[in-house]
Amino acid sequence: DTEVTQTPKHLVMGMTNKKSLKCEQHMGHRAMYWYKQKAKKPPELMFVYSYEKLSINESVPSRFSPECPNSSLLNLHLHALQPEDSALYLCASSLLPPRADDGGSEAFFGQGTRLTVV
Amino acid sequence: SQELEQSPQSLIVQEGKNLTINCTSSKTLYGLYWYKQKYGEGLIFLMMLQKGGEEKSHEKITAKLDEKKQQSSLHITASQPSHAGIYLCGADFPISGNTPLVFGKGTRLSVIA
Repeated sequence: DTEVTQTPKHLVMGMTNKKSLKCEQHMGHRAMYWYKQKAKKPPELMFVYSYEKLSINESVPSRFSPECPNSSLLNLHLHALQPEDSALYLCASSLLPPRADDGGSEAFFGQGTRLTVV
Repeated sequence: SQELEQSPQSLIVQEGKNLTINCTSSKTLYGLYWYKQKYGEGLIFLMMLQKGGEEKSHEKITAKLDEKKQQSSLHITASQPSHAGIYLCGADFPISGNTPLVFGKGTRLSVIA
């Protein structure tokens, strides 16, 4: 099983709404990631969780709040978003967290959540 | 800056033709990854290269990493419509001791029957 499951697949929300994106993997991976992808652009890293702890926050605005309740789940809580936050949000996981002293391990991606902020 | 340059940006080939996509970094990479993405969908892992001079193949796709670990190529032999999509190279760069995956801008491949 090399599946990363993201829900929902599509989400439309108003600027005053609070919503959450969910990501789940059962591969025993200890690193999980959130990426944001705008149309015709490559994915951009937002957050990295290593062993359920936030290890990297790429200067993401506080209206995006990640949470890792356990080693299989990763959430992204959304509040007071702007229309420019509309994008494809991708979750990924890898067996081990990224380290400077080794070559890393491949990351597996979910199908993404297409978010539209109106 | 820690950037990956991919070329070409887009490619249109006739079915059955061979093609090559390149990925270049100004810095030595720890690991180089190739992914394929259909529009609006998740990324499908293709291959990972870690050693200088390494070459891997899967079905009709071959990826190579040069000896300096700064350049990789993805070669598709006898392309088919199913190969169409966006090909992304990703690499590990050291950031404060961590090496999260960053991506090139992608190559959009169209295969014409």
